Amino acid sequence: AQKITQTQPGMFVQEKEAVTLDCTYDTSDQSYGLFWYKQPSSGEMIFLIYQGSYDEQNATEGRYSLNFQKARKSANLVISASQLGDSAMYFCAMREGQTGGFKTIFGAGTRLFVKA
Amino acid sequence: GAGVSQSPRYKVAKRGQDVALRCDPISGHVSLFWYQQALGQGPEFLTYFQNEAQLDKSGLPSDRFFAERPEGSVSTLKIQRTQQEDSAVYLCASSLRGGVNNEQFFGPGTRLTVL
Repeated sequence: AQKITQTQPGMFVQEKEAVTLDCTYDTSDQSYGLFWYKQPSSGEMIFLIYQGSYDEQNATEGRYSLNFQKARKSANLVISASQLGDSAMYFCAMREGQTGGFKTIFGAGTRLFVKA
Repeated sequence: GAGVSQSPRYKVAKRGQDVALRCDPISGHVSLFWYQQALGQGPEFLTYFQNEAQLDKSGLPSDRFFAERPEGSVSTLKIQRTQQEDSAVYLCASSLRGGVNNEQFFGPGTRLTVL
């Protein structure tokens, strides 16, 4: 079974609008961390936001927020006020605290296109 | 430098050649990870070091892949007798500690092409 599922291979958004990138995960651990990374065409992976499994509040970092629904095992990324520079691949990732060892598992990614 | 650096940035190898990829993590970072990213896919975990100890190598695809971090800083990923399916971007990441909540800082990657 896929540990991290990103169902949107590509998404379009108009500049200045908000967009939600979907991510669902599968784990039996109680302790885990969820991450979102941005990968522009230049190739570097840029950390955006982190949500811990025990965090009661949704994480926010500037224009990024994580819509964490633990019971549904979803961790969607919301980007507000999209900018042209947001066009990139976005990866959802998870680290499991008990069974996963030390690995971080990444989803297949969503390519976001921001239109002017 | 302030970030994770990797060298070479690009490597072309003939099938059967051995290659060595280098990673310089951020100074003081205890944890170091190697990932393989095939074209159009997410990174796949290869191996993890905590200081000089290789604590997880479950992601290494075959015994042709070997990684080391002898002094707990610089790490080298070696691929012996390269095959075409080894063509990918190899990413290195480091983090200050090893917990689930520790942000990983990634290097720019080494793009390996095996002909």
